[in-house]
Amino acid sequence: EIVLTQSPGTLSLSPGERATLSCRASQSVSSSHLAWYQQKPGQAPRLLIYGASSRATGIPDRFSGSESGTDFTLTISRLEPEDFAVFYCQQYGRSPYTFGQGTKLEIK
Amino acid sequence: QITLKESGPTLVKPTQTLTLTCTFSGFSLSTSGVGVGWIRQPPGKALEWLALIYWDDDKRYSPSLKSRLTITKDTSKNQVVLTMANMDPVDTATYYCAHRHLAAPFDYWGQGTLVTVSS
Repeated sequence: EIVLTQSPGTLSLSPGERATLSCRASQSVSSSHLAWYQQKPGQAPRLLIYGASSRATGIPDRFSGSESGTDFTLTISRLEPEDFAVFYCQQYGRSPYTFGQGTKLEIK
Repeated sequence: QITLKESGPTLVKPTQTLTLTCTFSGFSLSTSGVGVGWIRQPPGKALEWLALIYWDDDKRYSPSLKSRLTITKDTSKNQVVLTMANMDPVDTATYYCAHRHLAAPFDYWGQGTLVTVSS
């Protein structure tokens, strides 16, 4: 089973700042099958990034993803008020399709 | 337009079996590459993947819950059913179903249904 470890647990930033969220996999993620989701209170998760770096339909270009070996990064270039939420990474290349424990992005 | 909706009991007693139904539209589970999965989220906690069924009836389960889970599909009704046996209060969570296609992640999600396990 691939374990995904997200850091930090909580990130406090202001609108307009840059956010960098990390997701480290315990082993290689097949074919870059790593996704990022955003979840706001009371809502289902929303797919942001797939294939480690491809934006899902309708996702603004301030969201970007990258990978370096087993380390994956979600970057939000300039935070908008609506971006504050919890973010999860997930590997979907090999069953079980595990999620990270989440990073809460809160307004400073 | 793809939509999914979960339905089932909101309250179950410990040791009972939970049965949840995911009713979907906008796609068919007889189409090659399509899958429907279940994910849960205890209050204030992280997402946990539970199970997935593919168009060809291939089924995958979380190893830690495999002995308690069964996933089935009814293509004619556009439904996927998840049963979880021997429910415990720690299984209290919002349960989501979601769509995936080929080697893509879960791109469409239901609104989720909160299931509380309590005597």
